[in-house]
Amino acid sequence: GAVVSQHPSWVICKSGTSVKIECRSLDFQATTMFWYRQFPKQSLMLMATSNEGSKATYEQGVEKDKFLINHASLTLSTLTVTSAHPEDSSFYICSASFPRGRNSPLHFGNGTRLTVT
Amino acid sequence: AQKITQTQPGMFVQEKEAVTLDCTYDTSDPSYGLFWYKQPSSGEMIFLIYQGSYDQQNATEGRYSLNFQKARKSANLVISASQLGDSAMYFCAMRGNTGTASKLTFGTGTRLQVTL
Repeated sequence: GAVVSQHPSWVICKSGTSVKIECRSLDFQATTMFWYRQFPKQSLMLMATSNEGSKATYEQGVEKDKFLINHASLTLSTLTVTSAHPEDSSFYICSASFPRGRNSPLHFGNGTRLTVT
Repeated sequence: AQKITQTQPGMFVQEKEAVTLDCTYDTSDPSYGLFWYKQPSSGEMIFLIYQGSYDQQNATEGRYSLNFQKARKSANLVISASQLGDSAMYFCAMRGNTGTASKLTFGTGTRLQVTL
């Protein structure tokens, strides 16, 4: 089955530093990947849609200058949290759609737990 | 706009019993897909089952079945013969069929606890 790999699985960083999270589709090409954010005991909230070779589409209220998304190849999308602050501490999870059509399920990475101290 | 509603924050079920997790949805898309995901405490999202809006039959995948009632806009997940390993958060999600609606919209989730 389709596999999505996300790295790192957890990261602790100091306030003001930047953190990069990678999302790879291992056995298929993903022209579109999605980045979600999940606070404790809450649902997944879509942050942005990552499109290979073009700019990401951000959801309303998500700061594009703070959450930089790059989708340079058909198998890799990266999310960089710039100048991280404690309120950015959250669970970030990426997903990609196996290219069988719009109603094929999204396959998720295992997520990255970010703690900003 | 799409909306998913899960009204049960938490559910308990005894091992080997069946349990139904509720999900209602709202959309203006004529064609859409409904999904259920399981999220254990470790955080990964595990795809369980999918139902297309034009599918005539309810979807089944092993112990999981989806009770799809289109007129009522409900897509309840039924887990039969519950196991201790089924304890997790369960999310209902919807994906439209046009443009940016191809993203998944999630409900608030139901925490299922399977007891002995």
